[in-house]
Amino acid sequence: SQQGEEDPQALSIQEGENATMNCSYKTSINNLQWYRQNSGRGLVHLILIRSNEREKHSGRLRVTLDTSKKSSSLLITASRAADTASYFCANGGTSYGKLTFGQGTILTVHP
Amino acid sequence: EPEVTQTPSHQVTQMGQEVILRCVPISNHLYFYWYRQILGQKVEFLVSFYNNEISEKSEIFDDQFSVERPDGSNFTLKIRSTKLEDSAMYFCASSEGPIYSNQPQHFGDGTRLSIL
Repeated sequence: SQQGEEDPQALSIQEGENATMNCSYKTSINNLQWYRQNSGRGLVHLILIRSNEREKHSGRLRVTLDTSKKSSSLLITASRAADTASYFCANGGTSYGKLTFGQGTILTVHP
Repeated sequence: EPEVTQTPSHQVTQMGQEVILRCVPISNHLYFYWYRQILGQKVEFLVSFYNNEISEKSEIFDDQFSVERPDGSNFTLKIRSTKLEDSAMYFCASSEGPIYSNQPQHFGDGTRLSIL
């Protein structure tokens, strides 16, 4: 399988519920980055977690990182319809500038 | 908040023609990147650029592609002899530092390139 695999591929929830997306990777990393992409738009950087961090918060976002399992999760609490988008994890391994993206999770939040 | 801007938002070109995609990175950023996303597929890295030279490139970035920073604000991607399979969304990104310095990459809204 490829680096940066997210699951689930699609997630449909009601407004107010929490959404959890998972990501796995294969190589050593300096950090892992999460991005959001609204339909037809660019990638918006959400949060970066360093390899020596286990958890990081930003507003309604909570990211965890388990380097022993080479996995990360993104939790969006109290979701809103505006959170509807595709969410990607991206890792640069130990490279200079190349980010490797997963296939992404399509999140749909129903009002 | 400063952002990366890309022009045009949509480019339609005949196969075999050359295209130039333009980007204005965030002003204090020193590292620049191009990625592409073929419809329904993953975002793929093309090239990174620092100090007026390519620092890293993927297998996709062959002799058909070139990048340039023609002045202090623009960063361009040139695709020569375009092929149907070059149709994709092309994203420019920039960052203050390389990945290992834990600096995030900030992306533009992309240019949708359609080759006819």
